[in-house]
Amino acid sequence: DSGVTQTPKHLITATGQRVTLRCSPRSGDLSVYWYQQSLDQGLQFLIQYYNGEERAKGNILERFSAQQFPDLHSELNLSSLELGDSALYFCASSVRWTGELFFGEGSRLTVL
Amino acid sequence: QKEVEQDPGPLSVPEGAIVSLNCTYSNSAFQYFMWYRQYSRKGPELLMYTYSSGNKEDGRFTAQVDKSSKYISLFIRDSQPSDSATYLCAMRLNTGNQFYFGTGTSLTVIP
Repeated sequence: DSGVTQTPKHLITATGQRVTLRCSPRSGDLSVYWYQQSLDQGLQFLIQYYNGEERAKGNILERFSAQQFPDLHSELNLSSLELGDSALYFCASSVRWTGELFFGEGSRLTVL
Repeated sequence: QKEVEQDPGPLSVPEGAIVSLNCTYSNSAFQYFMWYRQYSRKGPELLMYTYSSGNKEDGRFTAQVDKSSKYISLFIRDSQPSDSATYLCAMRLNTGNQFYFGTGTSLTVIP
């Protein structure tokens, strides 16, 4: 158990819909990262937050947005969903001083 | 050119074999190097974390970093069927926030 909690574990929805994925980082970790992993694909970096502020942006679509709340949990919002958005979405948190990155178990999104 | 290159495999070895997994990278400023193990449909699990050059050993796992060649390796001794997974390398700079991942090598250890 990495200490990073993600909900929901599985989500099935239809095209055009909107979903919210939630992440609670490890206790004490201020940084949260979001990654997308499609079938047989590598990890694609989406976005990073540090203590409530956006710090880095990767290949995140305009239909996607994220935020980190004062209690440090983070949410990834995916809207106008398309079939190609079906993937595993991982949240990771980074240890403040050493920079080690720990992943949650992921949220599996299926868009039908 | 990708920042991090990793042979996707698949790699298949008999139980008990020594496994060598490798990544090359292009940015000589990378300072932190990581190896993750990912079982199917699970989150990546941090196996090894090293800073700069040298070796690090943890049980059956040894991580090597050769900064002069921009090459990192993960060795698994006495491989077990439970080692069957995808192994991802990752690295980052001394400053900044971004991690750079390889695409992963799929390993199967045959009993």
